[in-house]
Amino acid sequence: NAGVMQNPRHLVRRRGQEARLRCSPMKGHSHVYWYRQLPEEGLKFMVYLQKENIIDESGMPKERFSAEFPKEGPSILRIQQVVRGDSAAYFCASSSDVGNSPLHFGNGTRLTVT
Amino acid sequence: SQKIEQNSEALNIQEGKTATLTCNYTNYSPAYLQWYRQDPGRGPVFLLLIRENEKEKRKERLKVTFDTTLKQSLFHITASQPADSATYLCALDDQAGTALIFGKGTTLSVSS
Repeated sequence: NAGVMQNPRHLVRRRGQEARLRCSPMKGHSHVYWYRQLPEEGLKFMVYLQKENIIDESGMPKERFSAEFPKEGPSILRIQQVVRGDSAAYFCASSSDVGNSPLHFGNGTRLTVT
Repeated sequence: SQKIEQNSEALNIQEGKTATLTCNYTNYSPAYLQWYRQDPGRGPVFLLLIRENEKEKRKERLKVTFDTTLKQSLFHITASQPADSATYLCALDDQAGTALIFGKGTTLSVSS
């Protein structure tokens, strides 16, 4: 009964490189959310996806960031041309339904940009 | 946009006492409110959900209240234990109902 799986746990990228973060939701969950957390900051919503659709991307920067949740395979958060300010913990969560369903979180990917 | 305020300072209590954490929000009243626990280096873990028409919810040693007039939720841990030490996050649905907005959390430390 695997929970939400994120990989890698730690990712180091140089400025200008691309970062790809993967998230496999809990079995049976079709709703995926990405959040970013900075030290001493709260979780900031980035994007909400269902299979093959982006439902709400209001929290995601318009440039360099993209997300997908294909029909097969994990959800991917992609950051192009990373900058030092992108260094943070990125958490993925899944739920069985939208609305008041609890979110099940993975243990995050810690991105460090050098 | 919705703003959520949680006790910014860490809460230190002795084992066996009741811990009370506060979550205040501004603007619109959410349809529901959730509490999560987060340990260092880990993702948040869901604890309790309370709906706007519910005044109180209990689960084992946990109790949550929801006062829509005061725009406040209180989270209580009775008979606290050192294992309860963690950061506790309050979360509300956004106005569109598609995403959860989280507070910055309150760090609880229970000493034996």
